Amino acid sequence: AQRVTQPEKLLSVFKGAPVELKCNYSYSGSPELFWYVQYSRQRLQLLLRHISRESIKGFTADLNKGETSFHLKKPFAQEEDSAMYYCALSPATDKLIFGTGTRLQVFP
Amino acid sequence: DAGVTQSPTHLIKTRGQQVTLRCSPKSGHDTVSWYQQALGQGPQFIFQYYEEEERQRGNFPDRFSGHQFPNYSSELNVNALLLGDSALYLCASSFTSGRFSYEQYFGPGTRLTVT
Repeated sequence: AQRVTQPEKLLSVFKGAPVELKCNYSYSGSPELFWYVQYSRQRLQLLLRHISRESIKGFTADLNKGETSFHLKKPFAQEEDSAMYYCALSPATDKLIFGTGTRLQVFP
Repeated sequence: DAGVTQSPTHLIKTRGQQVTLRCSPKSGHDTVSWYQQALGQGPQFIFQYYEEEERQRGNFPDRFSGHQFPNYSSELNVNALLLGDSALYLCASSFTSGRFSYEQYFGPGTRLTVT
């Protein structure tokens, strides 16, 4: 079965603290993995995808095929990072399979 | 470019009725995907349209149907509405080249409430 699991509904940190949003996936082949973000009153937007290996807004994510994980990390959280984060998987057929999301709250 | 646009923003329907939601893709995009997002859940894939045909379908009943027009815009139709159909319906557009589809851009969504 194709599934994305985000175990934390809510993650609260203080500004400047490291952040790690967990994502595990279940897929038998080689999927594409993504992180999407939704800021307050804005639409869902792509944050990063694993094939591009980019760092966006200080966030990085490494695909660990052995652990089937794609955790999102940032060394120093900023207040503007507060948002809803969704991990998503795409089989070769381009549809997106989303996790249930993690709300990140960054306190000043 | 306004990006992906959806209409209406929100609507309220009664059980058993039918509803049509509309989506205009971002300029230059030719592929439209529809997702249902229930409260507290991540978006769930309904189906995808490319070249005016349904290319893929998620695990949704036949009450959910769609259409893509020559200008790449799309409609989502839901018949015989159930209370459980209440959700945010998201449209996403992308560009397809061969077997590769580029990044999906999402619209603001249509909030459907079934009473």
